[in-house]
Amino acid sequence: AQSVTQLGSHVSVSEGALVLLRCNYSSSVPPYLFWYVQYPNQGLQLLLKYTSAATLVKGINGFEAEFKKSETSFHLTKPSAHMSDAAEYFCAVSPQGAAGNKLTFGGGTRVLVKP
Amino acid sequence: DTEVTQTPKHLVMGMTNKKSLKCEQHMGHRAMYWYKQKAKKPPELMFVYSYEKLSINESVPSRFSPECPNSSLLNLHLHALQPEDSALYLCASSQLGVAGGQNIQYFGAGTRLSVL
Repeated sequence: AQSVTQLGSHVSVSEGALVLLRCNYSSSVPPYLFWYVQYPNQGLQLLLKYTSAATLVKGINGFEAEFKKSETSFHLTKPSAHMSDAAEYFCAVSPQGAAGNKLTFGGGTRVLVKP
Repeated sequence: DTEVTQTPKHLVMGMTNKKSLKCEQHMGHRAMYWYKQKAKKPPELMFVYSYEKLSINESVPSRFSPECPNSSLLNLHLHALQPEDSALYLCASSQLGVAGGQNIQYFGAGTRLSVL
């Protein structure tokens, strides 16, 4: 069974500083990988996804993630944090070859942005 | 339009009540999902409908009864719930295909349920 682990349940960054959120997956075959963001009292919004086309994936709101097979990682970064980036971030995995889309989420990382 | 609409936004119900949650999408997606999200936890998959047929039931108690009347609508019928069922219930939809695992799931804002 596939799983995904997010290191750090809380991350605090200063406005303008680098945001780095860590995600490692466990799968014998590289899966499809996603990063979602959830703002308070809202649903989840897709930031970006990895589907094997390119290892560096650019998403919305200035976020990007790099797939590293050797490290089984898919870390999310943003060069300069903005106050509006304060939210919960979830890494998720879906198996390749599935007819459906069974997402398994990591535990989430809550980002706090300090002025 | 990538909107998934869930109603109601909030619901308070007693343990003997019967209520329903509703989810609607008009993106032509043929897969629809119900998730349960407890506070400070990730969403947990409950049910998946593919082409209006139940394809995945993650061993959810029978007091939760899903229904997919048509390709745009998904309901979750609730009966005799317990206080521990209080959570945010999220609906999502996606396309289906051969490489279905890469299809993006679009989420609604959720229904926040409180069981008294």
